[in-house]
Amino acid sequence: SAVISQKPSRDICQRGTSLTIQCQVDSQVTMMFWYRQQPGQSLTLIATANQGSEATYESGFVIDKFPISRPNLTFSTLTVSNMSPEDSSIYLCSVAREMWGSEQFFGPGTRLTVL
Amino acid sequence: DAKTTQPNSMESNEEEPVHLPCNHSTISGTDYIHWYRQLPSQGPEYVIHGLTSNVNNRMASLAIAEDRKSSTLILHRATLRDAAVYYCILRDYSGTYKYIFGTGTRLKVLA
Repeated sequence: SAVISQKPSRDICQRGTSLTIQCQVDSQVTMMFWYRQQPGQSLTLIATANQGSEATYESGFVIDKFPISRPNLTFSTLTVSNMSPEDSSIYLCSVAREMWGSEQFFGPGTRLTVL
Repeated sequence: DAKTTQPNSMESNEEEPVHLPCNHSTISGTDYIHWYRQLPSQGPEYVIHGLTSNVNNRMASLAIAEDRKSSTLILHRATLRDAAVYYCILRDYSGTYKYIFGTGTRLKVLA
């Protein structure tokens, strides 16, 4: 398994500001992902965080709005930029030990409210 | 990306078996069927996965139709702790590693 922590666990922010969410894993992993879960909805993949290179974004998500860093094999950050109330969601980090592994491990999520 | 269809919600009595269905009629030969569940206020957790044959683990069983166009997650004795949203996901092992979550089934377990 993998133990994943996210910081902050929750935050309330003003529109127009930015928030950086941290994801820390207890051991090295190959794959790291960021998801968004809007209230009462399923999970949507934002991007795959690639170590040492630019993240791979899914359709509808752009780097200017959701810049992602992954400096090493245990840590990644997601920034939600220029926030609006529509960005109010739970943001989850997940990891997979290897590319062909069968299981993703999810963090507890960061609950973001934008006023 | 192949899609999955699940009922929005199901109910079960405690200590009875639960069969959670999933339709995936556009599944390709390289798609594995994965199941995750999300307990309240938590991130999803892995339940089980399979390709063609039925699979069993300590949490559940996965029954896959012979044509692979549908599958069923079986909880043998539901407990109150099994109340969660269950997601059926197809993962293509020949392509980019990503999950496309559907709407899932919210399971309510009645005491």
